Amino acid sequence: IAGITQAPTSQILAAGRRMTLRCTQDMRHNAMYWYRQDLGLGLRLIHYSNTAGTTGKGEVPDGYSVSRANTDDFPLTLASAVPSQTSVYFCASSPREGGGTGELFFGEGSRLTVL
Amino acid sequence: AQRVTQPEKLLSVFKGAPVELKCNYSYSGSPELFWYVQYSRQRLQLLLRHISRESIKGFTADLNKGETSFHLKKPFAQEEDSAMYYCALKAPGGGADGLTFGKGTHLIIQP
Repeated sequence: IAGITQAPTSQILAAGRRMTLRCTQDMRHNAMYWYRQDLGLGLRLIHYSNTAGTTGKGEVPDGYSVSRANTDDFPLTLASAVPSQTSVYFCASSPREGGGTGELFFGEGSRLTVL
Repeated sequence: AQRVTQPEKLLSVFKGAPVELKCNYSYSGSPELFWYVQYSRQRLQLLLRHISRESIKGFTADLNKGETSFHLKKPFAQEEDSAMYYCALKAPGGGADGLTFGKGTHLIIQP
């Protein structure tokens, strides 16, 4: 089934460790996004990319980095994880930049626990 | 700056009762509004958009520019409606970062 694949599904990580969450899409969408979902805070945008080779900061970018070497992949890296980064992370894509028609396609999420 | 407010974190209603999930927005122009839904153990997905003026799974939402609201309504709730609902806003023709989401409302339909 075409769509967005995230890995890992779940991970427990010691504070201070480096972690990369992977996101791959096979829909040839230009725009991709990383959100974190926290109870009471909803979905907050971490980073985005409107096309391969470009990235931008969202609402909560500190402690995270992204790269967009090609259209399909958009990994999110935590250089040195801290407990406040415990969250569920969602990758999403859209055919066009700026959210396109407003329909974002989401992955199943990666649940990260930082101890 | 654009903002989406969902005042209720949790809404519990009985099966068959009417449902209204509130959404208010702050934006100086004419935004596009959306409702997304996340059922248990499923991906977040688009439920409906105000431009389409459609009814999906019995839900409707009308954009009220005067009240800057986009409340989601359903006349008779069903148990399968239990889910997390997010209201989202998109600045038309701009906003490289896509959608701005509200904090979400957890809807529980009691039998």
